[in-house]
Amino acid sequence: AQSVAQPEDQVNVAEGNPLTVKCTYSVSGNPYLFWYVQYPNRGLQFLLKYITGDNLVKGSYGFEAEFNKSQTSFHLKKPSALVSDSALYFCAVRERNNQGGKLIFGQGTELSVKP
Amino acid sequence: DAGITQSPRHKVTETGTPVTLRCHQTENHRYMYWYRQDPGHGLRLIHYSYGVKDTDKGEVSDGYSVSRSKTEDFLLTLESATSSQTSVYFCAISGSAGGRETQYFGPGTRLLVL
Repeated sequence: AQSVAQPEDQVNVAEGNPLTVKCTYSVSGNPYLFWYVQYPNRGLQFLLKYITGDNLVKGSYGFEAEFNKSQTSFHLKKPSALVSDSALYFCAVRERNNQGGKLIFGQGTELSVKP
Repeated sequence: DAGITQSPRHKVTETGTPVTLRCHQTENHRYMYWYRQDPGHGLRLIHYSYGVKDTDKGEVSDGYSVSRSKTEDFLLTLESATSSQTSVYFCAISGSAGGRETQYFGPGTRLLVL
């Protein structure tokens, strides 16, 4: 069965330190991979996606993610965290040949950045 | 929120009553989706539409129906609301099903079924 795992419910980071939010997946073939961020009482905002090409993808707000096919992972990273990065982060995948473009989401990781 | 509105934004209803949520887009996108968000589950797809009058089920479609009579509107109906349908509901749109098209989300509707 297709699935996405975000193994950490919460990640705590000090401002200025690097951050990593982990995502692994189990989807057939070579999926498309996405990261979204959700601020309190808001909808999901698109951060970045991997379709093909360079395994390191750069996105909004200084975030980047690294696709690792052998480990079936797509971890979200940022070199220097900001307090304003505190939010809920979702990893999502879809099969490359999926009819309708349906996304499968991880359960989310709460990122807390302290001053 | 990418030209997507949802109404109502909040609703409290009683078990057994019908409820309709509306998603409206101004982007003229072909694909529209309804998800529900619950703690520990992320977002799960309820139904989606790939064109006017063309809809299909997602992974948690039981108890829900949808309709799309115009490109810009996608309605989600709970025929007889149950407490298990208390959730936050998000609508999303995309221009195509291709991987290069990203789904963009509306602001959400918070539904409480008493």
